[in-house]
Amino acid sequence: QSVLTQPPSASGTPGQRVTISCSGSTSNIGSNTVNWYQQLPGTAPKFLIYSNNQRPSGVPDRFSGSKSGTSASLAISGLQSEDEADYYCAAWDDSLDGYVFGSGTKVTVL
Amino acid sequence: EVQLVESGGGLVKPGGSLRVSCATSGFTFNTYTMNWVRQAPGKGLEWVSSIDNSGNFIHYADSVKGRFTISRDNAKNSLYLHMNNLRAEDTAVYYCARDHIAVAGLDYWGQGTLVTVSS
Repeated sequence: QSVLTQPPSASGTPGQRVTISCSGSTSNIGSNTVNWYQQLPGTAPKFLIYSNNQRPSGVPDRFSGSKSGTSASLAISGLQSEDEADYYCAAWDDSLDGYVFGSGTKVTVL
Repeated sequence: EVQLVESGGGLVKPGGSLRVSCATSGFTFNTYTMNWVRQAPGKGLEWVSSIDNSGNFIHYADSVKGRFTISRDNAKNSLYLHMNNLRAEDTAVYYCARDHIAVAGLDYWGQGTLVTVSS
């Protein structure tokens, strides 16, 4: 049972906008910044978003993050076939004294 | 180029022990906090442990506390995870991941090493 809750799946057609939610609590998202990771099939996770809404160098600006209270979200605009992957949110949890991941959302490009 | 290369995975019986390693290159290892993250087959990501650059501050997930020990050798640019009293539920790909130097988050990951716990 993951500490952060995400929908198991999301989908869209090429060019559409897809949004993934991530629900936490005051001890994690409510107190700390949120990261997002992308995991393409058969590969290691990739750092996608840090500090709630910042993109590391090389990440397309089609990816954007936001946070409000104890929830966060990742938006993919202009969806492309190569965006088909699993996406995970994550944050430090002050109560658990550890880093927690969301349950993961599989994005399918129809 | 930053590189993280895990090794040491394999098949081990329940109750057994194993050490996985992560050899790093392309960055100043002794200035970064490092982590282990695992992924059971077909499942999501689970953070396992972290160790700061000096080895003085260590954190563990409750699921491995008392059984796993994280360590590092800054002279060898290497990270380790010693796993004891292994259980079937510890079966997973174990990833080594580097903390970003300035903000929260894991910015570089290795390719992972598979640990299978089975009789």
